[in-house]
Amino acid sequence: ETGVTQTPRHLVMGMTNKKSLKCEQHLGHNAMYWYKQSAKKPLELMFVYSLEERVENNSVPSRFSPECPNSSHLFLHLHTLQPEDSALYLCASSQDLQPSTDTQYFGPGTRLTVL
Amino acid sequence: AQSVTQPDIHITVSEGASLELRCNYSYGATPYLFWYVQSPGQGLQLLLKYFSGDTLVQGIKGFEAEFKRSQSSFNLRKPSVHWSDAAEYFCAVGARTGGYNKLIFGAGTRLAVHP
Repeated sequence: ETGVTQTPRHLVMGMTNKKSLKCEQHLGHNAMYWYKQSAKKPLELMFVYSLEERVENNSVPSRFSPECPNSSHLFLHLHTLQPEDSALYLCASSQDLQPSTDTQYFGPGTRLTVL
Repeated sequence: AQSVTQPDIHITVSEGASLELRCNYSYGATPYLFWYVQSPGQGLQLLLKYFSGDTLVQGIKGFEAEFKRSQSSFNLRKPSVHWSDAAEYFCAVGARTGGYNKLIFGAGTRLAVHP
């Protein structure tokens, strides 16, 4: 596998379920990101990790819980979501957070539907 | 506050015609600028980026963009559009905050290509 992969690609869950989204990057990068892409809204940055430490938590509700066990993997744990959380969740990675080397490369996304 | 405006929500062009997608940004310092493309059901693919130097930037798939500081613009161009270019295009500015470049995205321009 090359680049940034995300699983599952599609997920349907009820409001009481607990599920997790997985992201894996094969680029040797040290920084990883979660974004939310909703219909008719610009992409929203949710979380930023650098060397497995959270750098940014962009006022995201606690029902979204990120985990970065190592620099290649990033998870987004979901629980008691709301229908308005239905969106495309995109993962990205970059070499690091320096301006000259922080170009972000995106995965294909997980399409989440909350019933 | 930093922002990105893509004035055109939808654009339709004929195959073989030239293309220009507009992007205006608001950012106080020297901007880092990006164009990404998103095909249906896919993640974002980097087309090109501007960090410094030559204001005319070449990217993949025959795209180019020109940074014009006086107009706060970073318009994307292609001399001859192919049917496979039909997708959504996002302009973004990297705003330095909290030790990293936070990408501020525009709302996107959806491109349709007529045969």
